[in-house]
Amino acid sequence: DIQLTQSPSFLSPSVGDRVTITCRASQPFSSYLAWYQQKSRKAPNVLIYSVSTLQSGVPSRFSGSGLGTEFTLTIDSVQPEDSAVYYCQQLFIYPWTFGQGTKLEVK
Amino acid sequence: DVQLVESGGGLVQSGGSLRLSCAASGFIFRESWMTWVRQAPGKGLEWVANINQDGNERNYVDSVKGRFTISRDNAKNSLYLQMNSLRAEDTAIYYCAKLVRYPTNWFDPWGQGTQVTVSS
Repeated sequence: DIQLTQSPSFLSPSVGDRVTITCRASQPFSSYLAWYQQKSRKAPNVLIYSVSTLQSGVPSRFSGSGLGTEFTLTIDSVQPEDSAVYYCQQLFIYPWTFGQGTKLEVK
Repeated sequence: DVQLVESGGGLVQSGGSLRLSCAASGFIFRESWMTWVRQAPGKGLEWVANINQDGNERNYVDSVKGRFTISRDNAKNSLYLQMNSLRAEDTAIYYCAKLVRYPTNWFDPWGQGTQVTVSS
């Protein structure tokens, strides 16, 4: 199984800060990585797919990058409504796996 | 609007069975892969199973193989998860989602989830 490890597990930035969440994989894979946002235990929503493609309707301050075993989600100028838990997911090899989550609390 | 609505969750004893349903609307269900994901209390997300358009390809996480069966009824625009031999560790919110498969894979949208609680 591909293990995904997110860092950090918790972030508490101020409004306007730039935030980076890293997702490291136990083995390399190509392109099949997505990022999700989950607010207050509601259903997750996709932010980014195919490593770096922004889902329609998602603010442009969100971006994704990476390849191989290291992927990042960046939020430029974080806003209060970005407070949520963020998950990366690999959909390359079964079983498809998620990272453990990064909780973001905007001050 | 694309909408997924889960139902069928509840409280069941260990060893028991439950059948979850997911009603789909707002998209061509019969042309879509579908998937189930669960979230245990206070924990992260775990992919459970997926199914292709006509139901002849199904994939499962190892922990549910032989106990859970994913299925669909395209005439009813509905997805199902039959859960047998339930264990305490199956306690979770279960979400259905549409699986987008091009150019890569991702889940969008997700339903609101249905709670399954297994008492031991």
